[in-house]
Amino acid sequence: GAVVSQHPSRVICKSGTSVKIECRSLDFQATTMFWYRQFPKQSLMLMATSNEGSKATYEQGVEKDKFLINHASLTLSTLTVTSAHPEDSSFYICSAPSSGGADTQYFGPGTRLTVL
Amino acid sequence: GENVEQHPSTLSVQEGDSAVIKCTYSDSASNYFPWYKQELGKRPQLIIDIRSNVGEKKDQRIAVTLNKTAKHFSLHITETQPEDSAVYFCAATNSGGGADGLTFGKGTHLIIQP
Repeated sequence: GAVVSQHPSRVICKSGTSVKIECRSLDFQATTMFWYRQFPKQSLMLMATSNEGSKATYEQGVEKDKFLINHASLTLSTLTVTSAHPEDSSFYICSAPSSGGADTQYFGPGTRLTVL
Repeated sequence: GENVEQHPSTLSVQEGDSAVIKCTYSDSASNYFPWYKQELGKRPQLIIDIRSNVGEKKDQRIAVTLNKTAKHFSLHITETQPEDSAVYFCAATNSGGGADGLTFGKGTHLIIQP
C-alpha cells in the first residue's frame, strides 16, 4: 500500500510555543490530505482537509488560526499548532488517499504532542 | 453531517471464537465504509472496506456486510487469534467527486482470551 510519513513522531513543548508537524506522501502524490486528532482512549476526529495550492477546509469547532495548515506541494502538508496549551496535547495523525479521488486512505504514524 | 455509532465498546471472546462489531451511520449519501485496526500508540491500519454497491466482502478470516436500507454495516472476524486483540474503528464517508475525510465510530476494544 501507499506510504505516508510524519515528523516528528513525538514532541514535548512548553505552553505558548508553536509546533509544526509534517506529513509526507512518500511514493505517490496527494492533492488532498487530512488531519485528525485522537485524544487518549478516544476515536479519531477529523480536524481539517488540506488542499494543495488552496486554503484548507476546517471542521466545525476547529480554530483555523490556531491550527495552521499549509499544503505547499503534492507530497507535503504541514500542521502548525500555534500557542499550544496543555489541552492541545493529543495524538495528531494525517492521512492521504492513495490516488486522486480514491476512497482508500493511508495514515501516517502519528505525532504525539505533549504540552507542558 | 455524518454520525457513526459503533457497538460494543468492549468485546471479549475466547480464542478461536468469532467476533462481530456493528456500526450504524446517519447520512444516506455515505458510500464508502472502511474498518481500521489500531494497536496502542500506532497508526490505524485498514483491514477491510466496502463500497455501497456491494453487500458483502470477505478477506480470509475477516468479512464485512453492509445493509444500505438500514444504514448499518458489520465486521466479522472468525477463528480469532491473540494477535487480533486491538481497537477496531469503523468509518464512513461520501466519496462522490473526490476523497473526503472519514467520520469514525468510537471504537471497539477487542480482547481475545487465550
